[in-house]
Amino acid sequence: DAMVIQNPRYQVTQFGKPVTLSCSQTLNHNVMYWYQQKSSQAPKLLFHYYDKDFNNEADTPDNFQSRRPNTSFCFLDIRSPGLGDAAMYLCATSRVGGRNGYTFGSGTRLTVV
Amino acid sequence: LAKTTQPISMDSYEGQEVNITCSHNNIATNDYITWYQQFPSQGPRFIIQGYKTKVTNEVASLFIPADRKSSTLSLPRVSLSDTAVYYCPYRGYQKVTFGTGTKLQVIP
Repeated sequence: DAMVIQNPRYQVTQFGKPVTLSCSQTLNHNVMYWYQQKSSQAPKLLFHYYDKDFNNEADTPDNFQSRRPNTSFCFLDIRSPGLGDAAMYLCATSRVGGRNGYTFGSGTRLTVV
Repeated sequence: LAKTTQPISMDSYEGQEVNITCSHNNIATNDYITWYQQFPSQGPRFIIQGYKTKVTNEVASLFIPADRKSSTLSLPRVSLSDTAVYYCPYRGYQKVTFGTGTKLQVIP
């Protein structure tokens, strides 16, 4: 089945130690998104790629960066995780315009110790 | 700021029909209305979309009035497994912004 896969499912990192979360898709969608979701809150968009074109949200901290080496893969890099970055990180994909909705992965739950 | 507004929570007994209404401030002329369902520790799942009038699929129905300023998600005969958060996100250009969502609790 075509899908969005996030690895790992759970990630524990040390305060200040760089961490990378990965996302892959078999849907061949042009657009890939990263959302951050903290406990009991709505998903918050961090940035998205339209093909290779990177689009950052104005309030996304510089600590968060992303790479998309090809259509299938997208990475979220957190350069110096703080305790406040503990959250579920969700990857999603869509066709251009998102008319048939977004397909989300199961998420990576990040714990910072 | 363009956004959507929906009730924070709802309770329903098993077997009842549940209607969740969302208001769509400043919806653009060509924007579709979409709804998502999210279970704990999972990503949101797209469940239905529409532009106007009524749309029905195997999961839900979506009612959109002529002015498109609101939409109503209808879940027929809910079961315990429908307990989840339901979102009607705002769609901007190439991105979707999620509001608080409606936490639906189905009671036995």
